[in-house]
Amino acid sequence: HVQLVQSEAEVREPGASVKISCRTSGYIFTSYDLYWVRQAPGERPEWMGWISAASGDATYSQKYQGRLIFTRDTSATTAYMELSSLRSQDTAVYYCARDSGNLKWFDSWGQGTLVTVSS
Amino acid sequence: DIGLTQSPDSLAVSLGERATINCKSSQSVLYSPNNKNFLAWYQQKPGQPPKLLIYWASTRESGVPDRFIGSGSETDFTLTISSLQAEDVAVYYCQEYFSSAWTFGQGTKVEIK
Repeated sequence: HVQLVQSEAEVREPGASVKISCRTSGYIFTSYDLYWVRQAPGERPEWMGWISAASGDATYSQKYQGRLIFTRDTSATTAYMELSSLRSQDTAVYYCARDSGNLKWFDSWGQGTLVTVSS
Repeated sequence: DIGLTQSPDSLAVSLGERATINCKSSQSVLYSPNNKNFLAWYQQKPGQPPKLLIYWASTRESGVPDRFIGSGSETDFTLTISSLQAEDVAVYYCQEYFSSAWTFGQGTKVEIK
């Protein structure tokens, strides 16, 4: 049974950073890439980027260039997303999602992590 | 980036009746070498992540009831719920994986009339 379990909700002040974890189980971690997707309140999901679980290579949406870092720990079968220089517009639910294979659809999702940016 | 526009934004359907959601792409998502449409549909209930329903525009994910039917090609796609059940109340999103931006439509909210 594939599971993606994310870390708990976070509150940050503008300008700070946040790091979210996505602990996976039920499949071979290095066989599937992981995406990060965010969803602002009342908005559509938005793709942020993806990380190769095998190599650790990451691809980022240009929207976040310079502010976003994906990492993974293969021994812990966990992926991480760190977003810096937070602003109020970054308030959203952040999801990790597993790639179905070869960068296609998202077949399993974490439960989401709410990040609130407020002074 | 590819733009996806869904219609309607919301609809109310009686239990047991058909619900039809449309998704129009700003460019074709048909990949000619394999003749497959790079489009998926998801269902999202309040407080939950999206759940995959359909991929390749018409292939149901394992475990998804057969009342969910995906159709269409190139730029025009439809998700049909053939007989609406109470548990189908949700927001539905189309999503393309043809580009490297994995764009979602704006969503269609389905309610019970």
